[in-house]
Amino acid sequence: AQSVTQLDSQVPVFEEAPVELRCNYSSSVSVYLFWYVQYPNQGLQLLLKYLSGSTLVKGINGFEAEFNKSQTSFHLRKPSVHISDTAEYFCAVSDQAGTALIFGKGTTLSVSS
Amino acid sequence: DAGVIQSPRHEVTEMGQEVTLRCKPISGHNSLFWYRQTMMRGLELLIYFNNNVPIDDSGMPEDRFSAKMPNASFSTLKIQPSEPRDSAVYFCASSPEWQGALAFFGQGTRLTVV
Repeated sequence: AQSVTQLDSQVPVFEEAPVELRCNYSSSVSVYLFWYVQYPNQGLQLLLKYLSGSTLVKGINGFEAEFNKSQTSFHLRKPSVHISDTAEYFCAVSDQAGTALIFGKGTTLSVSS
Repeated sequence: DAGVIQSPRHEVTEMGQEVTLRCKPISGHNSLFWYRQTMMRGLELLIYFNNNVPIDDSGMPEDRFSAKMPNASFSTLKIQPSEPRDSAVYFCASSPEWQGALAFFGQGTRLTVV
């Protein structure tokens, strides 16, 4: 079985500052990894995914994440955040045999001016 | 395509009443997932279907919860009887493949049981 740990429940940052949201996973098999964003009162939207290939994955809205197999991590980064990036961010894992997504508890990113 | 459609968007019901949440997956998607989101437990997978067949319902909290997928374009999640601790946002997601890797989420149903 897989599990996901998001190390920070809340991350406050100032506009135009860089941000990193941390995610570690646990699995005995090869996995797919994802980051989703949830804006208030909205459903989840896929930011980016790692399925195979390059360990640096670029997503929408200027976000990127790096898969580190040795550290079982998939941290999300953005070099310069905007107020509009304020949202809840979820890291998720799925095993390659084909199971549903398992989510972390989420990280609330609050961007202020 | 309109995406995954869930109804109702909001539901307020009294304890003990039956609640039915509905989901229309994206046309052509053959996997469907029900999740529950609460502050305490985050996003929990309740059940998922592949080709209308329930594959894993180990996340369903108790017998008061049941889910059906009578055809490829419709699924329901029923709670009978409902309890205040069932209050949460329930999300439906669908995927074009067996794997949940490409899941698209609906807007969710916010359930409040009073």
